[in-house]
Amino acid sequence: EAGVAQSPRYKIIEKRQSVAFWCNPISGHATLYWYQQILGQGPKLLIQFQNNGVVDDSQLPKDRFSAERLKGVDSTLKIQPAKLEDSAVYLCASSLARSGRASEQYFGPGTRLTVT
Amino acid sequence: KQEVTQIPAALSVPEGENLVLNCSFTDSAIYNLQWFRQDPGKGLTSLLLIQSSQREQTSGRLNASLDKSSGRSTLYIAASQPGDSATYLCAVRPWGGGADGLTFGKGTHLIIQP
Repeated sequence: EAGVAQSPRYKIIEKRQSVAFWCNPISGHATLYWYQQILGQGPKLLIQFQNNGVVDDSQLPKDRFSAERLKGVDSTLKIQPAKLEDSAVYLCASSLARSGRASEQYFGPGTRLTVT
Repeated sequence: KQEVTQIPAALSVPEGENLVLNCSFTDSAIYNLQWFRQDPGKGLTSLLLIQSSQREQTSGRLNASLDKSSGRSTLYIAASQPGDSATYLCAVRPWGGGADGLTFGKGTHLIIQP
């Protein structure tokens, strides 16, 4: 079974530029999550989708971050404009269902963003 | 607001030792708890998932326990090996039918000396 795919793996941009990350979850997984992991910290949830609807975006900085999951499969996360403090690893995760062991989250390799 | 704390922040031990990593959380209303491993520059690999109704889970040399009422979990690694060197993260999922994103601790950076 293929895992969660993310691209690009690395991205370097200057502050005030825009950037987009892509995630393809495990086939059949209805729930998709984006997390931000700053160096030395644990991941922090940015947004959760159930199919193509948003369940939780309470920690997403909506003035500069946006995310979509149009067909309930792939998702993109965008930052515009980027700030220095956005330098982090952006992790995508997915889960099959919301209950029982099927709620286990599986993570992709992440996209490492450096803002200069 | 849920907070997850992991102790110690870093640990270095000789190969072959048994060791315990600790995780505590402030809100006992959790659905489950997961232990992850993260290698440098890589994503997270799930090691063990414990449902809130369970007390422990085992996988090979790993054993995780959960005491939901006291807000504690431990990850026990038996007969440590250099390949176990990584950062270990504990995360809890909230109880409830709505948002179920994980809350993570900062991790324990583990080094096993050959």
